[in-house]
Amino acid sequence: KQEVTQIPAALSVPEGENLVLNCSFTDSAIYNLQWFRQDPGKGLTSLLLIQSSQREQTSGRLNASLDKSSGRSTLYIAASQPGDSATYLCAVHQAAGNKLTFGGGTRVLVKP
Amino acid sequence: DGGITQSPKYLFRKEGQNVTLSCEQNLNHDAMYWYRQDPGQGLRLIYYSQIVNDFQKGDIAEGYSVSREKKESFPLTVTSAQKNPTAFYLCASSPRWDRGDNQPQHFGDGTRLSIL
Repeated sequence: KQEVTQIPAALSVPEGENLVLNCSFTDSAIYNLQWFRQDPGKGLTSLLLIQSSQREQTSGRLNASLDKSSGRSTLYIAASQPGDSATYLCAVHQAAGNKLTFGGGTRVLVKP
Repeated sequence: DGGITQSPKYLFRKEGQNVTLSCEQNLNHDAMYWYRQDPGQGLRLIYYSQIVNDFQKGDIAEGYSVSREKKESFPLTVTSAQKNPTAFYLCASSPRWDRGDNQPQHFGDGTRLSIL
């Protein structure tokens, strides 16, 4: 059974620092990996989707890498801003079907 | 604007009562999903549907039921058999998987269910 882990559970950085969020998964047979942002009491916003054949995806200040063989993905957020404060979740699509398995999330606070 | 609408935003349930959470999408997506989120945790899949009149159990289906009579709608009923229903419920949709597209799931803003 696939298990997805995100460490740390919470992270606090001063504004301007780069953020590094980690995601690990136990079963490398995935179709793709998706990073989401969740604001308090809200739904999820998709940030990046990395296909299993890709090594990384970039969107603006966000960059996500994927190493299937080691079961790891990392989300980098450059030059953090207070508006980046949120919970970040990673999720993997298994090879069979479009079901997502989620990690527990990393709660990020960027201090002005 | 296309999107997913969940209602109500807050819902309260009495002991022994069934309640139904609404999810409507106008994205023309074939697949729809229901997730449960407990405080400080990730999401767990309750039910999903790839096409109208068809749905499958997810990882935590006990105490829940769904229907998919229309493409746009996927209501979730939390029955009295669900002994710990207090949670944040999220609905999502996506293009159908077996068309070979690796498309992201789109989420609604959620319904928070509490026990009275």
